[in-house]
Amino acid sequence: DIQMTQSPSSLSASVGDRVTITCRASQGISNYLAWFQQNPGKAPKSLIYAASTLQNGVPSKFSGSGSGTYFTLTISSLQPEDFATYYCQQYNSYPYTFGQGTKLEIK
Amino acid sequence: EVHLLESGGDLVQPGGSLRLSCAASGFTFNSYAMSWVRQAPGKGLEWVSSISDSGGTTYDAASVEGRFTVSRDNSKNTLFLQMNSLRAEDTAVYYCAKFWGRSAAAGGRVDYWGQGTLVTVSS
Repeated sequence: DIQMTQSPSSLSASVGDRVTITCRASQGISNYLAWFQQNPGKAPKSLIYAASTLQNGVPSKFSGSGSGTYFTLTISSLQPEDFATYYCQQYNSYPYTFGQGTKLEIK
Repeated sequence: EVHLLESGGDLVQPGGSLRLSCAASGFTFNSYAMSWVRQAPGKGLEWVSSISDSGGTTYDAASVEGRFTVSRDNSKNTLFLQMNSLRAEDTAVYYCAKFWGRSAAAGGRVDYWGQGTLVTVSS
């Protein structure tokens, strides 16, 4: 199985800040990497697929990059609604696997 | 607008069975692969099963293989997850999710999620 490792596990930031979350795959996955946002008690929401393509309706403040084994999610100009938990997921091969999540908290 | 509504979650004893349903609307259900993903309380996301648009191809996580069966009824726009021999570690919120395309083969991605249904396995 491909292991996905996110860092950091938690992150404190202020409204208006820019933050970056990293995701590493234990083996190469090309660009078969998705990012999801989850607010407490809510369903995940798809943000990015193919490592860098925004899902329809997702604001451009979210951006993704990377290929192979190293990926990043950057969120600019943080707003209160952005404070949530973020997960990466590889869909290069089964079993699909997720990172452990990064909880973004207000400082 | 895509809408996925899960149901069937309940409290069940270890060794018991449960059938989850996911009613889909807002898209042509029989043209898209579907998936189940679960989340144990306070934990991260875990992929469970995927099924192609026709239902002819399925994929299961090793943790549920032989116990869970994913299926679909395209005439009723409904996805199912039959869960047998349930264990305490199966306790989780179960989400159904829509794939972007027909095939559930690796390389297919999820684009929409339902709100989830809670399954609790406890005596």
